[in-house]
Amino acid sequence: EAGVTQFPSHSVIEKGQTVTLRCDPISGHDNLYWYRRVMGKEIKFLLHFVKESKQDESGMPNNRFLAERTGGTYSTLKVQPAELEDSGVYFCASSQAGGIEQYFGPGTRLTVT
Amino acid sequence: AQTVTQSQPEMSVQEAETVTLSCTYDTSESDYYLFWYKQPPSRQMILVIRQEAYKQQNATENRFSVNFQKAAKSFSLKISDSQLGDAAMYFCAYGLGGSQGNLIFGKGTKLSVKP
Repeated sequence: EAGVTQFPSHSVIEKGQTVTLRCDPISGHDNLYWYRRVMGKEIKFLLHFVKESKQDESGMPNNRFLAERTGGTYSTLKVQPAELEDSGVYFCASSQAGGIEQYFGPGTRLTVT
Repeated sequence: AQTVTQSQPEMSVQEAETVTLSCTYDTSESDYYLFWYKQPPSRQMILVIRQEAYKQQNATENRFSVNFQKAAKSFSLKISDSQLGDAAMYFCAYGLGGSQGNLIFGKGTKLSVKP
């Protein structure tokens, strides 16, 4: 069984540019989560999808961040326009419906210069 | 608001020895879950062990065990017979499960294993 995959593994962009991160959850997992870790700080929750619906987006920092999950499969997280403070590692995780354990992807390291 | 605190930014252990990583949390809930995740240098984070708050018995997974003290809101991880492959960042996390599935993480403890 394939695990959670994320693309790209690393992205370097300039301030003001747009970046789109992609997450492919484990097949059949209804729940999909996005988290972010800024250097030296805690991993922070961003949002939670159940299938294609946003269950909880309370962690989204501002309206420069847009997450989608088309058809309840893969998800994208777009940052537009990127700011310096958006740099960090973005993790995606998925879990089964009713499942407690979350399976994490390898993360995307975003560097905004 | 729930918080998770890991007071040890870095720890070191000799191979084959035992090490304990500390974690405390704050919550007003009575039913919740606690987790220890391991993130090796290759970055893929994996679940090491989990504990349901309603269970009094401490969880154990091979060389990994926890000391869960609900009243004290403490959840430490003990690694016995440490191996070089145990070197990683260890994150303690708290979650309610269900529709409130998001996890709350501590800052992590970087564990080094000396040969």
